[in-house]
Amino acid sequence: DAGITQSPRYKITETGRQVTLMCHQTWSHSYMFWYRQDLGHGLRLIYYSAAADITDKGEVPDGYVVSRSKTENFPLTLESATRSQTSVYFCASSVPGALNTEAFFGQGTRLTVV
Amino acid sequence: AQTVTQSQPEMSVQEAETVTLSCTYDTSESDYYLFWYKQPPSRQMILVIRQEAYKQQNATENRFSVNFQKAAKSFSLKISDSQLGDAAMYFCAYRRGTGANNLFFGTGTRLTVIP
Repeated sequence: DAGITQSPRYKITETGRQVTLMCHQTWSHSYMFWYRQDLGHGLRLIYYSAAADITDKGEVPDGYVVSRSKTENFPLTLESATRSQTSVYFCASSVPGALNTEAFFGQGTRLTVV
Repeated sequence: AQTVTQSQPEMSVQEAETVTLSCTYDTSESDYYLFWYKQPPSRQMILVIRQEAYKQQNATENRFSVNFQKAAKSFSLKISDSQLGDAAMYFCAYRRGTGANNLFFGTGTRLTVIP
């Protein structure tokens, strides 16, 4: 199916474990993003990527790692999960420039760190 | 850094009535875009309406319209003839006109529609 998909939708993990959240888009959008959503903060940018093999930090990157070897995939890894990383994570994609300003979001992953 | 402020954590409206959600932002740039996203209980982020800063005319999408006041850095969303399906969390967001495409979000307003 066309679109942007995240997996898993729900994940429970233990403190200290490594966990990877997957994001896949079928549009070949050059930009991809990871946001986390927390009460009282809205959505905050963790990392973004302007193209394959190009990534950059956002507002809250500590404790996260990303990679983008292929345009369509942008996985987010929590190297050693902490309780403060309990959140809802959204992946998004968009095209650069002014022609299409909309960002398209996945359905989110609810991550609980116990 | 760009900041987006939504000062109303919760709002309620009677079905069929009109409600306005407030949003202000801070930027030193002249070229940018503003958005309202809706997030229903399904968690999906749905674009409601967008506004280009260079356009003076306020954007309208069916029952949704904005009041864009560039000098005041204000971008409010008006929902007319409110429906039960409008109940959701609404986020105001800002994007630079050039450079990285990431969005800066406000903290959201939870809208309740009363039957």
